[in-house]
Amino acid sequence: GENVEQHPSTLSVQEGDSAVIKCTYSDSASNYFPWYKQELGKRPQLIIDIRSNVGEKKDQRIAVTLNKTAKHFSLHITETQPEDSAVYFCAASLRTSGNTPLVFGKGTRLSVIA
Amino acid sequence: GAVVSQHPSWVICKSGTSVKIECRSLDFQATTMFWYRQFPKQSLMLMATSNEGSKATYEQGVEKDKFLINHASLTLSTLTVTSAHPEDSSFYICSARDQGRGGPYNEQFFGPGTRLTVL
Repeated sequence: GENVEQHPSTLSVQEGDSAVIKCTYSDSASNYFPWYKQELGKRPQLIIDIRSNVGEKKDQRIAVTLNKTAKHFSLHITETQPEDSAVYFCAASLRTSGNTPLVFGKGTRLSVIA
Repeated sequence: GAVVSQHPSWVICKSGTSVKIECRSLDFQATTMFWYRQFPKQSLMLMATSNEGSKATYEQGVEKDKFLINHASLTLSTLTVTSAHPEDSSFYICSARDQGRGGPYNEQFFGPGTRLTVL
């Protein structure tokens, strides 16, 4: 089955700096890679996702890159703000007409220091 | 966006009792729902895939007789933790996506979670 590795486990950055979180996956058939943000005691919220036919996607301060050959993808947050502090999870899945579950990385605890 | 609800949001029970957690898709039908478990400061671990009208598919290491899943309708899946013990204390989260809208790459939504504490 799919296995997703994520690093670093914790990341502290100064407000305004950039943050980068990296993930690798094992199943070359996976074609959908979302990133979720989870605040303490709350549900995960989708912040951005990317499909395997795209190399990069950007949404304001957030961007995701995907390298299919190397089977890794990264989350980039620019101009970080204190409200970006949370736990971020990457995930991978094979999306077809069926319904397969997301397999999550172990998470990265991001702290943005004001 | 699609809404997934869970009930209860938290529960405290004595060791040996059973606890039922409900997961509902409020504005869409879900033939499949997923149950995850999250221990403190850890990731979401898939427990099982709940299929409407058929048996759930459990992940390796998850006891199907301990974690009973019933997906009796297209909007409701239930997870029953039987004979709960302190080591079952965790955050249980269900998830689903609207397969009928948005194509295969649409968003998977999560319920708010149920925090189970077994004394």
